[in-house]
Amino acid sequence: QSALTQPASVSGSLGQSITISCTGTSSDVGTYNYVSWYQQHPGKAPKLMIHDVTNRPSGVSNRFSGSKSGNTASLTISGLQAEDEADYYCNSYSSSATLDVFGTGTKVTVL
Amino acid sequence: EVQVVQSGAQVKKSGESLKISCKGSGYIFTDYWIGWVRQMPGRGLEWMGIIYPGDSDTRYSPSFRGQVTISADKSISTAYLQWRSLKASDTAIYYCARRGGGGKVDYWGQGTLITVSS
Repeated sequence: QSALTQPASVSGSLGQSITISCTGTSSDVGTYNYVSWYQQHPGKAPKLMIHDVTNRPSGVSNRFSGSKSGNTASLTISGLQAEDEADYYCNSYSSSATLDVFGTGTKVTVL
Repeated sequence: EVQVVQSGAQVKKSGESLKISCKGSGYIFTDYWIGWVRQMPGRGLEWMGIIYPGDSDTRYSPSFRGQVTISADKSISTAYLQWRSLKASDTAIYYCARRGGGGKVDYWGQGTLITVSS
């Protein structure tokens, strides 16, 4: 079960927008709309930010949005704020694996 | 209010056994999968396995099959993760979480830090 591929790090200035990619295959991201995104601050449990590619749970800022094209899903954070500095992980259902698959994780730095 | 609460940190020696717990409340425990996720120091998230407490259907990641056992006691809304013989490489934070429809993991436990010394 190979992990989905994410960039190791992404940075942006306060107020800017950034996009984190999550690349899989036709067995997971490319075929199924079961991609979710999680934010993890140091020493904390992950938090659900986006599910089913584009859906935001109640309470999550509308600065966070998700999309998908082909085998790649993306998380966009607009109006970057200091509290957005964290690690972000994607997750997808996979028809070729026993369980879902996490991405490799991306560290977001706010400059 | 939905809550997922895990047992506390443990320090063990190599070769010892261990069972940690995860209690769900505020929802119908038997209606949702519970998953276990490992996070080794400074590393990413890895699925270990999931269990459906309604019928105890359990699935393991190939990396963890045979290394751990996942179980649940629906009478007390609690899931478990256990090891028969710990190794130093089992040192990590272990999260349990509720897995809803479409694979979204919407409620996470606070994590249980397991430290194994050789």
